[in-house]
Amino acid sequence: QSVLTQPPSVSGAPGQRVTISCTGSSSNIGAGYDVHWYQQLPGAAPKLLIYGNSNRPSGVPDRFSGSKSGTSASLAITGLQAEDEADYYCQSYDSTLISVVFGGGTKLTVL
Amino acid sequence: EVQLVESGGGLVQPGGSLRLSCAASGFTFSSYSMNWVRQAPGKGLEWLSYISSSSGTIYYADSVKGRFTISRDNAKNSLYLQMSSLRAEDTGVYYCASGQGSSLYLSGYSYMDVWGKGTTVTVSS
Repeated sequence: QSVLTQPPSVSGAPGQRVTISCTGSSSNIGAGYDVHWYQQLPGAAPKLLIYGNSNRPSGVPDRFSGSKSGTSASLAITGLQAEDEADYYCQSYDSTLISVVFGGGTKLTVL
Repeated sequence: EVQLVESGGGLVQPGGSLRLSCAASGFTFSSYSMNWVRQAPGKGLEWLSYISSSSGTIYYADSVKGRFTISRDNAKNSLYLQMSSLRAEDTGVYYCASGQGSSLYLSGYSYMDVWGKGTTVTVSS
């Protein structure tokens, strides 16, 4: 059971917009701590996608965006492409656990 | 090019020990905190441990506290994870990742910007 809750899977057709939610609690996201997102392509290592709730590292397309409100955060992907098919993980910090915490991951399928 | 390369994985019997290494290049290793993260087969990411840039601050996940030891050698641009009392549930791919947000301690801003490709650990008799 992950501290941060993500839907196990989402799907969308090419060109569509999908969102992935990440729900936490008052000891992590709700405490105001940043949320970060990682993309893990099949058979590859995770890659930083969004940091500090809504910032994109250099080289990440602006089709990817992040937001945070209250105890939840979201990753939005617009103009869905076949190469976006991957697992996506949210990450934050938990002050009760004094630990980095991850969501359980969401598998994105491009139909 | 910024690069992290893990090594030292392999097959080990339950109760055994293993030492993982992570070689860093392309950035000033001594200025950054470092982390170990693992992924069990078919499962999600699990953060294991953090070490500050000067080794002054160290944190562990409860699942490995008392069994795993993180360390670093800034002169050798290397990060280590000494694993003992290994269990079947420790099987997985182990990643090292450089830290951002704070080089001194874990904080609400902490995240991991560069990841290695991972090394596989299998605990089985």
